[in-house]
Amino acid sequence: KQEVTQIPAALSVPEGENLVLNCSFTDSAIYNLQWFRQDPGKGLTSLLLIQSSQREQTSGRLNASLDKSSGRSTLYIAASQPGDSATYLCAVSGAGSYQLTFGKGTKLSVIP
Amino acid sequence: NAGVTQTPKFQVLKTGQSMTLQCAQDMNHNSMYWYRQDPGMGLRLIYYSASEGTTDKGEVPNGYNVSRLNKREFSLRLESAAPSQTSVYFCASSPLAYTDTQYFGPGTRLTVL
Repeated sequence: KQEVTQIPAALSVPEGENLVLNCSFTDSAIYNLQWFRQDPGKGLTSLLLIQSSQREQTSGRLNASLDKSSGRSTLYIAASQPGDSATYLCAVSGAGSYQLTFGKGTKLSVIP
Repeated sequence: NAGVTQTPKFQVLKTGQSMTLQCAQDMNHNSMYWYRQDPGMGLRLIYYSASEGTTDKGEVPNGYNVSRLNKREFSLRLESAAPSQTSVYFCASSPLAYTDTQYFGPGTRLTVL
């Protein structure tokens, strides 16, 4: 059974810092990996989707990398801002599976 | 373009009561999903509908039923609510299935007393 782990569970950084969030998964036979953002009391917003054949995806200040063989992904946030404060969730889909397996998330606080 | 909408936003039930959570999407997506989110457990898939006319069980289907009413709407029914079903429920949709980004609704916060 696929398991997704996100470390750390919570992270607090001063505004302007670059930071990295980590995601690991136990079964490397994935179809894609997605990073989501969740604000308190809200639904999830998709940030980046990386297909299993890709190594990274970029959107603005966000860069996500994928190393399928080692079962790891990182989300890099450049020049963090208070508006980046949220919980970030990583999810993987298995080949041929409709099910996304989610990690429990990293709660990020960016201090002004 | 409202995206994915869910009703109600909040609901309190007594043990044994029934209710239906409604979900609709206006993006012409083929696939729709129901998740529950619990503290310390993350999001777990309850049921999904890969396309109109099909539904399948996810990781935690017990105590729930679903109906894919048409391409736009996917409802989740609790026939006899239990305190263990206290959770936040999210509906999501995607253009196709596992290949695509999923778009989430704002959630329904359900408390079962």
